[in-house]
Amino acid sequence: AQKVTQAQTEISVVEKEDVTLDCVYETRDTTYYLFWYKQPPSGELVFLIRRNSFDEQNEISGRYSWNFQKSTSSFNFTITASQVVDSAVYFCALSEYQDGGSQGNLIFGKGTKLSVKP
Amino acid sequence: ETGVTQTPRHLVMGMTNKKSLKCEQHLGHNAMYWYKQSAKKPLELMFVYSLEERVENNSVPSRFSPECPNSSHLFLHLHTLQPEDSALYLCASSQAGNSYNEQFFGPGTRLTVL
Repeated sequence: AQKVTQAQTEISVVEKEDVTLDCVYETRDTTYYLFWYKQPPSGELVFLIRRNSFDEQNEISGRYSWNFQKSTSSFNFTITASQVVDSAVYFCALSEYQDGGSQGNLIFGKGTKLSVKP
Repeated sequence: ETGVTQTPRHLVMGMTNKKSLKCEQHLGHNAMYWYKQSAKKPLELMFVYSLEERVENNSVPSRFSPECPNSSHLFLHLHTLQPEDSALYLCASSQAGNSYNEQFFGPGTRLTVL
């Protein structure tokens, strides 16, 4: 069965600190996709990144970086030099490959609420 | 309008009312989704429409009735709801036919059932 676990319910940091959000997933498939979304107080989920199971290269985008490790089934997200605007709930999600072009569904973790204080 | 829009943003209704939530996507996508997000549970997928056909109904009670008249519009018709149905209802869209495609979300409708 598919499952996404975000063990950290809430994290609070002071501005300019680095913070890592953990994500552990379970799947029996060899082909799957991992996502991170950000949900600010306004409510809209904003897509941040997508990774497929065959691409273990880490990625950096500005202050954001992602560490994908298949050996530990983890897809962790690090924010460097955090800012108040980073305060949001962050969701990790998993989508399994579907044959025949079917629509794969996203399985979300419970989310981690990040508070960045000035 | 750009992206995914949802109306109304807030809705308060009694248990005997009938109301509808509307979602519209301006991204040229052909798959649309309804999610429920409550304080106690993570994002729960409710319905999936792909190419205007319902392909997923995730054991949702019949008091929730989706409608997808075309690839750009999605409705969620509500009737005789319960207080535990109070939640944020999110609509999303994506390109159909590939689980690699990310979903784009609307801002949600905050529903309160009295």
